[in-house]
Amino acid sequence: DQQVKQNSPSLSVQEGRISILNCDYTNSMFDYFLWYKKYPAEGPTFLISISSIKDKNEDGRFTVFLNKSAKHLSLHIVPSQPGDSAVYFCAATLKTGANNLFFGTGTRLTVIP
Amino acid sequence: NAGVMQNPRHLVRRRGQEARLRCSPMKGHSHVYWYRQLPEEGLKFMVYLQKENIIDESGMPKERFSAEFPKEGPSILRIQQVVRGDSAAYFCASSLRQSRSGNTIYFGEGSWLTVV
Repeated sequence: DQQVKQNSPSLSVQEGRISILNCDYTNSMFDYFLWYKKYPAEGPTFLISISSIKDKNEDGRFTVFLNKSAKHLSLHIVPSQPGDSAVYFCAATLKTGANNLFFGTGTRLTVIP
Repeated sequence: NAGVMQNPRHLVRRRGQEARLRCSPMKGHSHVYWYRQLPEEGLKFMVYLQKENIIDESGMPKERFSAEFPKEGPSILRIQQVVRGDSAAYFCASSLRQSRSGNTIYFGEGSWLTVV
């Protein structure tokens, strides 16, 4: 039962353009959302997060948007750089505790120079 | 300042053998988490441990899998009588305290188990 879904397995974007990665979730009890970046043969590294009481969080080139009514969040990267090429995972935690991160299946972003 | 260290990075086992995966958390971290990533899937939570205690094992398969985090030494994820379906990447993560949000969790580079 996949509670966090990333329906696009891959995305290709030209360098300098905007990358938009999408994520949907089904559990309305999720209260914190995170994006992780993962390179091959490495562990995930935290990128940016957002609390369910907000609808936007920005950190440099990265912005995460949350639409609670649609149970949808997105990660915007602008401008995209070749070094951004990686697999991006969306994750969520429950109010009851964050021991358990629920991950999506990932979107592989390729930024073309 | 070493990060989360996992070993072995790659492990090959025949069906029926045992696999032991080790995780040394970041210095000063007493909370350890294990996640599994099956091919073409996202990471899935397995177990959360503090020193000498299993806090949450809701993601652990009921049989053949066990985890420990002794007072001294690394955390160990043990898989007995491995089957082909156990082939996956196993990621360990650690945090300084119980993490209310995942950004305080640091992941290791993973251990890739292949069962032949």
